[in-house]
Amino acid sequence: QVTLKESGPGILQPSQTLSLTCTFSGFSLSTYGMGVGWIRQPSGKGLEWLANIWWDDDKYYNPSLKNRLTISKDTSNNQAFLKITNVDTADTATYYCARSPRTVAPDYWGQGVMVTVSS
Amino acid sequence: ETVMTQSPTSMSTSIGERVTLNCKASQSVGINVDWYQQTPGQSPKLLIYGASNRHTGVPDRFTGSGFGRDFTLTISNMEAEDLAVYYCLQYGSIPYTFGAGTKLELK
Repeated sequence: QVTLKESGPGILQPSQTLSLTCTFSGFSLSTYGMGVGWIRQPSGKGLEWLANIWWDDDKYYNPSLKNRLTISKDTSNNQAFLKITNVDTADTATYYCARSPRTVAPDYWGQGVMVTVSS
Repeated sequence: ETVMTQSPTSMSTSIGERVTLNCKASQSVGINVDWYQQTPGQSPKLLIYGASNRHTGVPDRFTGSGFGRDFTLTISNMEAEDLAVYYCLQYGSIPYTFGAGTKLELK
C-alpha cells in the first residue's frame, strides 16, 4: 500500500525559508524509474506543479519559481524534501507530495499540508 | 511552457448522464496526459494516466482518450460520487502543467 504524508511549519513569515518533508511508504526512491513530486494549491484555486526528484537524483523544477526551490531525498529513510526560499503571501497554499514515476507522473498523493505565510 | 486549457469550466449534470470533459494542450504532448478527480477537502486522485489508461481501482465508467493536443475524459453513467473538480495534467515537457479544472455540479 502506497502512502505519503507531508509535514511543514504551518505558518511562517515573509522572507523566511519554507521547509517541507514528505514521508512515504509502499515504494522506494531507489527503484529504477521512481520519483516524488511536489504540487501546491492555494485555497479555492488550481494545482501548480513545483518540482520532481527521481531515483537517480535527477531533479526538475518549475522555472516560474526561478531559483527559490530545492528538492532533495533521503532514500534510506523514505523521505523527500522541498525548500522554498524567500516566501511571501503568494506562497500560502496546501502543499502536496506525490509518488511520481517517470512514465505516469503523480499517481498517489499525500493528504497535503497547509502553509500560511503571514506577518 | 505548455498551457492546458480545459472546457467547460463548469457543467451541470444529472445522475445517469454521459459527461464529456475536454483538455487542449498548446503544443503536442503525445500521450503524456493524466486526469485527476478532486472532491472538497481531499487530495487529487488519479483516474487516467497516459491519456487512456485507467488507474488501479478506477471504475470503468471513466474513459480517457486523445493524443497530441486534444484529450477527453468521459464519464459514461454519471453517479453522485462523481461530483467533483476534474483536472488534466501534461507531463510531456517541463514544467508539468495542469488545466484550470472543470467542476461538475448537479442540475
